[in-house]
Amino acid sequence: SQKIEQNSEALNIQEGKTATLTCNYTNYSPAYLQWYRQDPGRGPVFLLLIRENEKEKRKERLKVTFDTTLKQSLFHITASQPADSATYLCALALDDMRFGAGTRLTVKP
Amino acid sequence: DSGVTQTPKHLITATGQRVTLRCSPRSGDLSVYWYQQSLDQGLQFLIQYYNGEERAKGNILERFSAQQFPDLHSELNLSSLELGDSALYFCASSVGAVIDTEAFFGQGTRLTVV
Repeated sequence: SQKIEQNSEALNIQEGKTATLTCNYTNYSPAYLQWYRQDPGRGPVFLLLIRENEKEKRKERLKVTFDTTLKQSLFHITASQPADSATYLCALALDDMRFGAGTRLTVKP
Repeated sequence: DSGVTQTPKHLITATGQRVTLRCSPRSGDLSVYWYQQSLDQGLQFLIQYYNGEERAKGNILERFSAQQFPDLHSELNLSSLELGDSALYFCASSVGAVIDTEAFFGQGTRLTVV
């Protein structure tokens, strides 16, 4: 069956460190993969999109990698700040858009 | 502000009732997606419309239906409501039929079935 798995439900790190979140998928061949941020009770907000022929994408303190052989994407937040605390969702773009369950990141001062 | 408007923001109704959730996409966006998010659960894809036509269907119950109107706004109808239908319902919009650009989400409708 098709699955999208994000490595853990929760990740706690210290301010200033790099947060690394993982998204693995099975039985999909997405052309695009996206990452979103969701704060409690609010709609997801788009962060980054990476295409299947791209290995890496950066935006300010964010970096995404996409390995179609491993069927995995890594999402990094460098120099993390308490304001980065949120749930991060990966989404596979197929004919529609399917989301992983998300990883709740907490950055402690 | 994403530009996607969902109404109402909150809805409380009894089991067995029927409700309609409304979504106005961002100006220029032709695709509308509906998602259900139960407490501490991920976003479950329900259905997608593109320019008035149903394009993709996910885990949408038979008690649920949706449509997209000529002005591109969309409505999600939920009938014979059960306690388990209590959730946040999000709609998202994008320019094209395929998600090759970002999707914009509304702030959601929180449905409580009592």
